[in-house]
Amino acid sequence: GQNIDQPTEMTATEGAIVQINCTYQTSGFNGLFWYQQHAGEAPTFLSYNVLDGLEEKGRFSSFLSRSKGYSYLLLKELQMKDSASYLCAVRDNYGQNFVFGPGTRLSVLP
Amino acid sequence: EAQVTQNPRYLITVTGKKLTVTCSQNMNHEYMSWYRQDPGLGLRQIYYSMNVEVTDKGDVPEGYKVSRKEKRNFPLILESPSPNQTSLYFCASSNLGSPLHFGNGTRLTVT
Repeated sequence: GQNIDQPTEMTATEGAIVQINCTYQTSGFNGLFWYQQHAGEAPTFLSYNVLDGLEEKGRFSSFLSRSKGYSYLLLKELQMKDSASYLCAVRDNYGQNFVFGPGTRLSVLP
Repeated sequence: EAQVTQNPRYLITVTGKKLTVTCSQNMNHEYMSWYRQDPGLGLRQIYYSMNVEVTDKGDVPEGYKVSRKEKRNFPLILESPSPNQTSLYFCASSNLGSPLHFGNGTRLTVT
């Protein structure tokens, strides 16, 4: 079976740091992806992990532990424009199909 | 420019009138997929395709058809649309080792 879980909503303050967690149980694993989606727009790619550890890209970092079925997205120096939904996705089985989590809606307050 | 192109962006139609939403990618990607997104339900996969002439059902395939006759195109067909298919639809593509690239979306309203 396929199951990906994320918190539904989170709130943080401008300038702060926020961590969005993702846990997964999927049949096969070929990478975990994080996407950002503003309301009514297409998701845009943020980060990708296939090996355990931390990947850093500017204000965004993503961590993966394959043995625990766990990932997180870390957003630093939050800005108002970071208010969006953040989607966790796992590529599984044949190495091509993507399974998405329900998404976490982040609100950044002044 | 590398992109996934969906058309139309907006569509209002009536129950039972067959429609097709087109999706085309210019990146020679093998994998293509269709999703629908409804408030509070996240992205739900309708159909996906690993390559030409290879398609598989996703989580919510009922009421939809797809075809993959050429690598670049993956149209979504609604033979007899119903109001519960009112949604925001996304097409996406990728190759092994690359992230999913999404089209800009099609907002469909069925009255």
